[in-house]
Amino acid sequence: QVQLVQSGADVKEPGASVKISCRASGYTFTSYGVHWVRQAPGQRLEWMGWIKGDDGRTVYSETFQGRLIITRDTAATTVYMQLSSLRFDDTTVYYCASERFATGNFDFWGQGTLVTVSS
Amino acid sequence: QTVVTQEPSLTVSPGGTVTLTCASSTGAVTSDAWPSWLQHKPGQPPRTLIYRTFYRQPWTPARFSGSLLGGKAALTLSGVQPEDEGEYYCLLHLGVIWVFGGGTKLNVL
Repeated sequence: QVQLVQSGADVKEPGASVKISCRASGYTFTSYGVHWVRQAPGQRLEWMGWIKGDDGRTVYSETFQGRLIITRDTAATTVYMQLSSLRFDDTTVYYCASERFATGNFDFWGQGTLVTVSS
Repeated sequence: QTVVTQEPSLTVSPGGTVTLTCASSTGAVTSDAWPSWLQHKPGQPPRTLIYRTFYRQPWTPARFSGSLLGGKAALTLSGVQPEDEGEYYCLLHLGVIWVFGGGTKLNVL
């Protein structure tokens, strides 16, 4: 069955970077894209960006331009999300979600990764 | 920056019917925006119920239906169950980006 397994919780200082992994299994990795979504406590879900599984093309939300890099390793069927220049308000749970290319269907989700930014 | 608006909260009785809507600040929501509806409960990842306006996931109960209504995307729950209580988000594909609505807290009382 399709599974997305994310890396574990992390604690970072302000100004540092965090890199979260999302390992996919149970589907053809290059036929899907992977989105990253986050939700701060009491806030709406927020779409961050997307990477296409086959050619690695990325699209980022303007909110994160310059701070966000999404990459993938097709051999490891893993997608990575790196957020830099961390601020206190980046403390939240980050999710990855798969989308079979050009279907608009965020069908499977990772379990979520809590990132805490604290000094 | 596009703002996607949902009702902040709605209350429905068990067995009743309720419609949640999703509006875009850029104008009418059409099927081109591939409207999706997600359910999000505390401590769990979101779960997509409806995508591309009206397509259900294999796990989506038949009581959930998606549509377009008066220039908005809509999610209708018919025969609401207690387990339907939770937060519901719409998600729109606007150009090359995706934008979530503010979420609707559905109370089943």
